[in-house]
Amino acid sequence: KNQVEQSPQSLIILEGKNCTLQCNYTVSPFSNLRWYKQDTGRGPVSLTIMTFSENTKSNGRYTATLDADTKQSSLHITASQLSDSASYICVVSVGTDKLIFGTGTRLQVFP
Amino acid sequence: DAGVIQSPRHEVTEMGQEVTLRCKPISGHNSLFWYRQTMMRGLELLIYFNNNVPIDDSGMPEDRFSAKMPNASFSTLKIQPSEPRDSAVYFCASSLQGLIDTIYFGEGSWLTVV
Repeated sequence: KNQVEQSPQSLIILEGKNCTLQCNYTVSPFSNLRWYKQDTGRGPVSLTIMTFSENTKSNGRYTATLDADTKQSSLHITASQLSDSASYICVVSVGTDKLIFGTGTRLQVFP
Repeated sequence: DAGVIQSPRHEVTEMGQEVTLRCKPISGHNSLFWYRQTMMRGLELLIYFNNNVPIDDSGMPEDRFSAKMPNASFSTLKIQPSEPRDSAVYFCASSLQGLIDTIYFGEGSWLTVV
């Protein structure tokens, strides 16, 4: 069964600290993996998209990693800011015709 | 680029009424998607168009839901008759081509059916 699981469900950190969000997937055939950021009341915004051959991709203070052997991805946020408070959604493409969404990690950054 | 534009942003309607949600995809994008997001089920794909043709409507919950894309720059999602369980945020999204490319989401239409 195609599945994407994210952990933790929620996370609270202090401004300036780093954090790492996890995504485990069971998908076949794997095509690519994406991370989206969704601010409260807004639509999801793409952070990164990685194919099978890529194991790291950065977007500013966001760095995503992909281990296709263990079927795990992580999103690392460096020097967190208040504006990083959002839900982060891991999405995996199955072949060319399906996306499987994780349920997201809710991150809250406090001053 | 204006991004994906949706209207209305918020809609409150009574059970049994017809609801029409509208979407303008990013110019030049060939694929358009309608998603529904709820706390319980997260993001779910309702229907996906490619070059104005519906490719996958397996996520449309039931016959009360219908979607059209009469041209490359406009799509509607209609619910008739609406029910309280339809209350959700409905997102329209577009991509250059299909599910392989980056998908750009609109800001959503927040629907409440009372």
